[in-house]
Amino acid sequence: DIQMTQSPSSVSASVGERVSITCRASQEISNWLAWYQQKPGKAPKLLIYAASTLQSGVPSRLSGSGSGTDFTLTISSLQPEDFATYYCQQTNSFFPLTFGGGTKVEIK
Amino acid sequence: EVQLVQSGAEVKKPGESLKISCKGSGYSFTTYWIGWVRQMPGKGLEWMGIIYPGDSDTRYSPSFQGQVTISADKSINTAYLQWSSLKASDTAMYYCVRHEVVPAAIQDHYYMDVWGKGTTVTVSS
Repeated sequence: DIQMTQSPSSVSASVGERVSITCRASQEISNWLAWYQQKPGKAPKLLIYAASTLQSGVPSRLSGSGSGTDFTLTISSLQPEDFATYYCQQTNSFFPLTFGGGTKVEIK
Repeated sequence: EVQLVQSGAEVKKPGESLKISCKGSGYSFTTYWIGWVRQMPGKGLEWMGIIYPGDSDTRYSPSFQGQVTISADKSINTAYLQWSSLKASDTAMYYCVRHEVVPAAIQDHYYMDVWGKGTTVTVSS
């Protein structure tokens, strides 16, 4: 299985700050990575696929980058609605699909 | 509007059987893989497996192979997740998820573009 490791596991930040979350794959996955956002009590929501392609309706302050084994999700200017937990997922069809452990973005 | 509507919360005893459902609408149900993701209380997301309703091709995560059964009835646009004998450790939220597939040269790639609201399963004596 491909293991996905996210860091940090949590981050405290203020509205307007720039936040970056990293995700590392245990083997090379090209750009086959997705990011999801989950708010408390809600289902996850797809934000980004193919490492950097924003899903329709996702605000442009979110961006994804990376290739190979190292990936980053960046929120350029944190807004109140961005406080949530974020998960990366490798999308390779050598199953199983696997998620990172999650990063909780909290209000400072 | 593309939707996945899941069945309601369940409370069961250890050893009981259970089948939860997920009805798709607003898209061609038979041409998208649909699967299940588990989230145990306070924990992260775990991919369980998927089914292609068009031909019932099914793939499981090794962690869940033999523990659950994924099925689908394409005549009513519904996918299922079932247990024959529940354990307390099956207590979790279960999400039904549509998988978008991007074909590629060596292997295809799957990401999860539509999620149901989740079904809570509680197993307790």
